[in-house]
Amino acid sequence: SQQGEEDPQALSIQEGENATMNCSYKTSINNLQWYRQNSGRGLVHLILIRSNEREKHSGRLRVTLDTSKKSSSLLITASRAADTASYFCAPYPGGYNKLIFGAGTRLAVHP
Amino acid sequence: DAGVIQSPRHEVTEMGQEVTLRCKPISGHDYLFWYRQTMMRGLELLIYFNNNVPIDDSGMPEDRFSAKMPNASFSTLKIQPSEPRDSAVYFCASSLDNQPQHFGDGTRLSIL
Repeated sequence: SQQGEEDPQALSIQEGENATMNCSYKTSINNLQWYRQNSGRGLVHLILIRSNEREKHSGRLRVTLDTSKKSSSLLITASRAADTASYFCAPYPGGYNKLIFGAGTRLAVHP
Repeated sequence: DAGVIQSPRHEVTEMGQEVTLRCKPISGHDYLFWYRQTMMRGLELLIYFNNNVPIDDSGMPEDRFSAKMPNASFSTLKIQPSEPRDSAVYFCASSLDNQPQHFGDGTRLSIL
């Protein structure tokens, strides 16, 4: 299955702390994408990391990719209450292959 | 730039009625996806199109569901007849090849 599986299922932290979410997958990938979903809204793309990249940064976000272990992690530094959302990883094999989203990690950041 | 536009945002109808959900993808995007999200099953891909042609409809739950893309700027997802178990949030997304997907804000469907 090309579905990503996020871990943990839920994470509760205080503002200012860092949040780390992990993703495992089973197939070869062209890239891996992370999305965020706020309550009542559609998913929003956060960051895409290609299979030949090991780390990527975007603002307070840091994504790592280990293709040998078929795993990725998303780190949110200095979290804010506005980061409260569900986070999904989506491994993308390429071609006509579709994205299959896992159950996501529900992050709650408390003021 | 306008994002993916879905209508209606909310739909409440009675069991047995026909439901039509609409989506306008981002101009220039050649992929369009329909998803369904529920608490029990999470986010499920129903069908996706490339250049207006359905590529994979293996996620469509049954014959009561149908989707069309008559042109590059419009798609519909139809449920006929609707059942209470179809209640969910339905999302449309669009993308370029090998690029991230852009999601609409969904249609919250309630079948009574």
